[in-house]
Amino acid sequence: SAVISQKPSRDICQRGTSLTIQCQVDSQVTMMFWYRQQPGQSLTLIATANQGSEATYESGFVIDKFPISRPNLTFSTLTVSNMSPEDSSIYLCSVEVVVGQGSFFGQGTRLTVV
Amino acid sequence: AQRVTQPEKLLSVFKGAPVELKCNYSYSGSPELFWYVQYSRQRLQLLLRHISRESIKGFTADLNKGETSFHLKKPFAQEEDSAMYYCALKSSRGSTLGRLYFGRGTQLTVWP
Repeated sequence: SAVISQKPSRDICQRGTSLTIQCQVDSQVTMMFWYRQQPGQSLTLIATANQGSEATYESGFVIDKFPISRPNLTFSTLTVSNMSPEDSSIYLCSVEVVVGQGSFFGQGTRLTVV
Repeated sequence: AQRVTQPEKLLSVFKGAPVELKCNYSYSGSPELFWYVQYSRQRLQLLLRHISRESIKGFTADLNKGETSFHLKKPFAQEEDSAMYYCALKSSRGSTLGRLYFGRGTQLTVWP
C-alpha cells in the first residue's frame, strides 16, 4: 500500500494567481499521476510525472498551464497557473506502487477560483 | 481510443436488494479493469481488480470480453454501500502505459 499526503486540502484563490499543490508518498514510486475532477464530473488525467524526465501531458493540458515537478521518487508538485474560475476543481495525485495492484490516491485538493 | 462508460449516474436500491452497477469499456488490447469507490468525505480507494477475481465487501465483478463489460454486483446491498463507484480501465501498452481512464461514476444509494 501507499500513504499519500496532499497539500493544501483546499484553497480559495484569486483569478490570475497560481497555486502549487504538493503530493508526498511514503514509498518510492516510478510514476505519479495528476487528475482533475471538475464539479459533477469524473476524473480526468492531466499528466504523468516521472522522476528525471519531463511530465507527459494528456490532450487538452499543457505545461505552461499545469507545470509539474518531480524532483525525487516520493514527491511531486502540480501548479495551476494564471487561474480562472474554470479551474475550480478537485485535483488529485495518484500512484501505483506495484504494477497491477491498483492505484492509491491522495485526499485531493479542492480549489475554488474567484 | 480507450473509453469507459457507466450508463447510470444514480442508482437507488433498498437494503437487502441485489445491486448491479454497469460498466462497459472500449479498448484495443487486453484491458486491466478496476472498480474504485469513494465514500462520503473519504478519498478514492480501490475496491476490486479484475485480475484478482476476488470478492470485496460482498462485491464481485466479472470481465466479459465478448460484451466488453465489467459490471459490479452484490447480492444483498447494505446501507454502508452507499457511495460513488467508478469503473476504471488501465492502459497496458505504448505511450499511455499505466494511465487510468475513469467512467463518470455511479452514485449508489441504499435505502433502509
